[in-house]
Amino acid sequence: DTGVSQNPRHKITKRGQNVTFRCDPISEHNRLYWYRQTLGQGPEFLTYFQNEAQLEKSRLLSDRFSAERPKGSFSTLEIQRTEQGDSAMYLCASSLGPSGYDTEAFFGQGTRLTVV
Amino acid sequence: GQQVMQIPQYQHVQEGEDFTTYCNSSTTLSNIQWYKQRPGGHPVFLIQLVKSGEVKKQKRLTFQFGEAKKNSSLHITATQTTDVGTYFCAGLREYGNKLVFGAGTILRVKS
Repeated sequence: DTGVSQNPRHKITKRGQNVTFRCDPISEHNRLYWYRQTLGQGPEFLTYFQNEAQLEKSRLLSDRFSAERPKGSFSTLEIQRTEQGDSAMYLCASSLGPSGYDTEAFFGQGTRLTVV
Repeated sequence: GQQVMQIPQYQHVQEGEDFTTYCNSSTTLSNIQWYKQRPGGHPVFLIQLVKSGEVKKQKRLTFQFGEAKKNSSLHITATQTTDVGTYFCAGLREYGNKLVFGAGTILRVKS
């Protein structure tokens, strides 16, 4: 296992289309995060999972965003009816545990979404 | 909700000068982490602080966690061009809670 893997690396889509991104975390990691990052900003929290349970979803997210982690392993992030404001880098990160020294987050390379 | 704020937003230093970035949380944290992101890259973990008043060093980097566990700082001594990037702090409020990032401090080093 070489780290967190995200696919695709780049996605260009037309406004109104649906897109889905995949994240494969480090295999023994229980915690998985999705963040969104725009130029010059820090990673903005979207949602996170502990195993297969989605613990929180950002109030900034509209109902067009949904994420799953069906078996507690890989996760998908879907954006329906994309808008130009959705253009950003979508980052996935995983960590071993929820507390103490196990919370170091390992990031994937991200999926860059461009909505035209 | 939990907020993590960082200052300054941007700093441009001459190579050899020192650099400090500060992080403040609106809530008490169980731990704080620091990450570095190079241009075009993804955030990479640097260090984690858990104890009140903790100080850790990594070569020219010194990290501090405040006594009240609400603030932290990263200090780089004698910056080098390889230090260029954006430095983020990220706080974990309590057991099981989410990791929240600050907006980051962009460091540019002029040689």
